[in-house]
Amino acid sequence: EEQLLESGGGLVQPGGSLRLSCAASRFSFSTYGMSWVRQAPGKGLEWVSGISAGGADTYYADSVKGPFTISRDNSKNTLYLQMSSLSGEDTAVYYCVKNYYDSQGHWYFDLWGRGTLVTVSS
Amino acid sequence: QSALTQPRSVSGSPGQSVTISCTGTSSNVGGYNYVSWYQQHPGKAPKVIIFDVTERPSGVPDRFSASKSGNTASLTISGLQAEDEADYYCCSYAGAYTWMFGGGTKLTVL
Repeated sequence: EEQLLESGGGLVQPGGSLRLSCAASRFSFSTYGMSWVRQAPGKGLEWVSGISAGGADTYYADSVKGPFTISRDNSKNTLYLQMSSLSGEDTAVYYCVKNYYDSQGHWYFDLWGRGTLVTVSS
Repeated sequence: QSALTQPRSVSGSPGQSVTISCTGTSSNVGGYNYVSWYQQHPGKAPKVIIFDVTERPSGVPDRFSASKSGNTASLTISGLQAEDEADYYCCSYAGAYTWMFGGGTKLTVL
């Protein structure tokens, strides 16, 4: 069964940095674009960032453009999110998500990890 | 980038039908046929139940159906069951390889 497993979350002070990782297994990781989606406590989902299958193209929500950097290492089947200049507004569960796209033009988020909690607080 | 607009809550009795709307603009919902819906139970990761406006992944009951008209997409759940009680989120492609979610709708099965 396909799987995504996030790690790296935790408590960080305002202004600090954190790097999230997502280990993918049981699917051809290098074939698919990937995204990070976050959910603040008691709030809705927010798409944060995406990256192409090869890693050359990256995309960001306006709310994180600049402080956040998405990257991937296809040799390690791992997705990353480097977060800097963190504020309380960044407190959320961060989900690693697989972007399914096929030759028929279907395009959606078909696989989600269990998420990792990032808490920004002094 | 504002979230797509969904009702905060809907409710229905077992066996009834409910519809959840998702309103965006011509730059997202109205402009692309990449609207998907996700079901999220408390403490769990979201799960896709509809993709490309009307398509159901294998394993999702046909009680779940969806449509789109203009800038508004809709999810209908018929024959409500207790296990359908969850939060539901719409999501739309918003151009330039970005995506936008709705604010979420809490479904209560009475």
